[in-house]
Amino acid sequence: GQNIDQPTEMTATEGAIVQINCTYQTSGFNGLFWYQQHAGEAPTFLSYNVLDGLEEKGRFSSFLSRSKGYSYLLLKELQMKDSASYLCAVRDNAGNMLTFGGGTRLMVKP
Amino acid sequence: KAGVTQTPRYLIKTRGQQVTLSCSPISGHRSVSWYQQTPGQGLQFLFEYFSETQRNKGNFPGRFSGRQFSNSRSEMNVSTLELGDSALYLCASRATGTRPLNEQFFGPGTRLTVL
Repeated sequence: GQNIDQPTEMTATEGAIVQINCTYQTSGFNGLFWYQQHAGEAPTFLSYNVLDGLEEKGRFSSFLSRSKGYSYLLLKELQMKDSASYLCAVRDNAGNMLTFGGGTRLMVKP
Repeated sequence: KAGVTQTPRYLIKTRGQQVTLSCSPISGHRSVSWYQQTPGQGLQFLFEYFSETQRNKGNFPGRFSGRQFSNSRSEMNVSTLELGDSALYLCASRATGTRPLNEQFFGPGTRLTVL
């Protein structure tokens, strides 16, 4: 089966750093994705990991450990506009299907 | 390049009716996936179409169906609507090929309300 867990909500302060964790147990694995979704909008792609390690892209970084079934998204220098839901998703072996976690709603406060 | 478009954006139906939602993928993308998003269940995979063929199907009842046309545009249909079908229906398209990333690009969604 597929099981992807992330915290439901997090709160952080503008300018700070926040780490959003994602653990997964899936029958197949062909990459882990992070998406950002602002309220009332479509999810937008943030990052992708298929090998163990850290991928950095500006203020956003994502880490993957396949042996532990664990990933995190790190957001630095938080801005108010980073208030959104962050969705962790695992792609199946065939590379065609994404299974999403429930999403983490991040609130950035001044 | 234009993004993924979905029509209509908002829809109100009553129980027992049926509904058809439409999705136009990014030009050149042949894979189209549909998702249902609700506050309680999050984003759940409905099905994926590639070259007019359903390639994957999620765990939804047979009332949910879809198809894809030769121009890669896709439609999904929900028959005999139930209150629990109220949700945001998202369509996503992606390129296919050897590039490992091939991330999905989402449309704005259709907000379906069943009364």
